[in-house]
Amino acid sequence: KNQVEQSPQSLIILEGKNCTLQCNYTVSPFSNLRWYKQDTGRGPVSLTIMTFSENTKSNGRYTATLDADTKQSSLHITASQLSDSASYICVVQNQAGTALIFGKGTTLSVSS
Amino acid sequence: EPEVTQTPSHQVTQMGQEVILRCVPISNHLYFYWYRQILGQKVEFLVSFYNNEISEKSEIFDDQFSVERPDGSNFTLKIRSTKLEDSAMYFCASRSQGAPNEKLFFGSGTQLSVL
Repeated sequence: KNQVEQSPQSLIILEGKNCTLQCNYTVSPFSNLRWYKQDTGRGPVSLTIMTFSENTKSNGRYTATLDADTKQSSLHITASQLSDSASYICVVQNQAGTALIFGKGTTLSVSS
Repeated sequence: EPEVTQTPSHQVTQMGQEVILRCVPISNHLYFYWYRQILGQKVEFLVSFYNNEISEKSEIFDDQFSVERPDGSNFTLKIRSTKLEDSAMYFCASRSQGAPNEKLFFGSGTQLSVL
């Protein structure tokens, strides 16, 4: 069954600290993996998209990695800010153009 | 940055009533989607739409659901006879013509509450 699992479920960090969120997937075949940020009551916003051949991609303070052999991805957030408080969702697409498969997300809280 | 616009932001309805959720995708986009998120759960795919027809749908999207692009700008989701379990946040999304792994843009959602 195609699944996307994320850990931890929630995380609290101090402003300015770094953190890493994990994603494991069993989706096959594999087309691409995306990380989204979702603020409470808002729609998901795309952070990164990686295909099979890419193993790292950055977007400002966000850096995503992908190991397609072990089917794992991580999202690293550097120098966190209060505005980073949100749910971070790992999403996998198994064939180009087909429906996205969402993980449950990691809820990140950044405190001052 | 261009946005996907959804209206209304909140909709309350009685069980058994019909509801229409409206979306205005980004103007040059050609692929349209509806997703939903039940409170506390993951986002789930409902349907994708391209060239005036459904290209893919999930098992959630049964015959109580329909989609339409009535004009050049709007994309609607209709639920014919709402059930309590239809209560969720419904997200519209769109992407441009091009590589299928291009960015998908989501609207802010319509929170549907069925009483």
